[in-house]
Formats: sequence, structure tokens, C-alpha cells
Amino acid sequence: KAGVTQTPRYLIKTRGQQVTLSCSPISGHRSVSWYQQTPGQGLQFLFEYFSETQRNKGNFPGRFSGRQFSNSRSEMNVSTLELGDSALYLCASSTTGEGTEAFFGQGTRLTVV
Amino acid sequence: AQSVSQHNHHVILSEAASLELGCNYSYGGTVNLFWYVQYPGQHLQLLLKYFSGDPLVKGIKGFEAEFIKSKFSFNLRKPSVQWSDTAEYFCAVRLSGGYNKLIFGAGTRLAVHP
Repeated sequence: KAGVTQTPRYLIKTRGQQVTLSCSPISGHRSVSWYQQTPGQGLQFLFEYFSETQRNKGNFPGRFSGRQFSNSRSEMNVSTLELGDSALYLCASSTTGEGTEAFFGQGTRLTVV
Repeated sequence: AQSVSQHNHHVILSEAASLELGCNYSYGGTVNLFWYVQYPGQHLQLLLKYFSGDPLVKGIKGFEAEFIKSKFSFNLRKPSVQWSDTAEYFCAVRLSGGYNKLIFGAGTRLAVHP
């Protein structure tokens, strides 16, 4: 079955702009999580959505937001971009319950100039 | 705050050498433990996971890991590495009640020379 799909794969934006990234989870997975990966900070959890509700949030400023649609697809938005937002943004989808694991997409590489 | 420590940031080995990557976490409650691998240009893939039961778990590609609760450790091992094991390895922890949030270690870059 198809894996986690993230679009676009690459983005270049200017400081102050906003950006929207998209994630389509594996069919049947209702949980979608987002992570930021940078060389300095590693992989950091942004937030998790389940059944269109955010049920967990990492330690990121309010400029980072997300949402989930009824088909479990998710988007994350970053407003007022800063140079430090340049990173690989990863989406992971999971089922729920004991014994679940996260399946990751290939990520969106965001460069802020 | 809960954290995950990976002791080795860069490891260089020759083919057929044995591998052990350390991982420790700081959390006193129930955890699920994972090792993920990221090959160059590819997405994160699960190597193995521990939820409960036998603390020695076997994963894909000949990898195994041992959960030692008293040491808060989950070290990854492979008896004989191959050039194709060159990748970055991440240890991750999911806390009980934390839904699907994963806390990752900083990663270990492994380079295997033929």
C-alpha cells in the first residue's frame, strides 16, 4: 500500500512569508504527527492530530500551526518565516492503540532566504 | 524534561566489524522504544521496536536491541556490519500517555568502509 506522501518535496521562501506543507497518511491511519529536523536540534516534535483534533503539541511558537481534514490528510502552516525555520519537515502517520509504530514520509525541505 | 541520549555521534567501522550504538532515556514511567534508520536520501524507516515482553528484540537486516530497564537503556547491536548499513540511526521513545509523540535522540552517523 502507498506510504506517507508529503508535498511539495522542496520549497524556497523569503523571510516574512508564510508556507503550507501537506501530508497524506497511509490509508486507514488516523493519527498524523509533524516533526522538524535540523542539523543543530535534530528531530523535534511539532504536533499530532487525530480525528481532526490536535491532541499533542511540542514546544514551538504559535507561528507553527496545523490542521487535519476528515480524510486524515494534514497540513502544517508556518507564518512569518524566519531564517531559522529552514529545515526538513517530516510527517508521520500511525494507527492507534498498543503496539503502533510511526511511518514517515520523505519530508519537505524548506529553505528560508 | 524527558530526553533521549545517544552517546556516539559519529562511528566509523570496517565491514564485518561488530556494532553497538548506545541509547539512554530519562523517564521513570512506561515507555515504548524504537530504533529508526535514515539511509542517504531516504525516509526514516523502523529497524525495531520494544513495547513489552522479551527485552531482547530483533529487527530487520540483522539488527537487535536490548532493553535494560534498570539502566534506562536500549542499545542497538549488529554482529557484522555491511557497507550498506552506512546511514544515520535514531533512537526514539514514546511515553505512556503521550499518544504518538516520539522523543528522538540526536542520531548517530555510521560510516562503514569496505
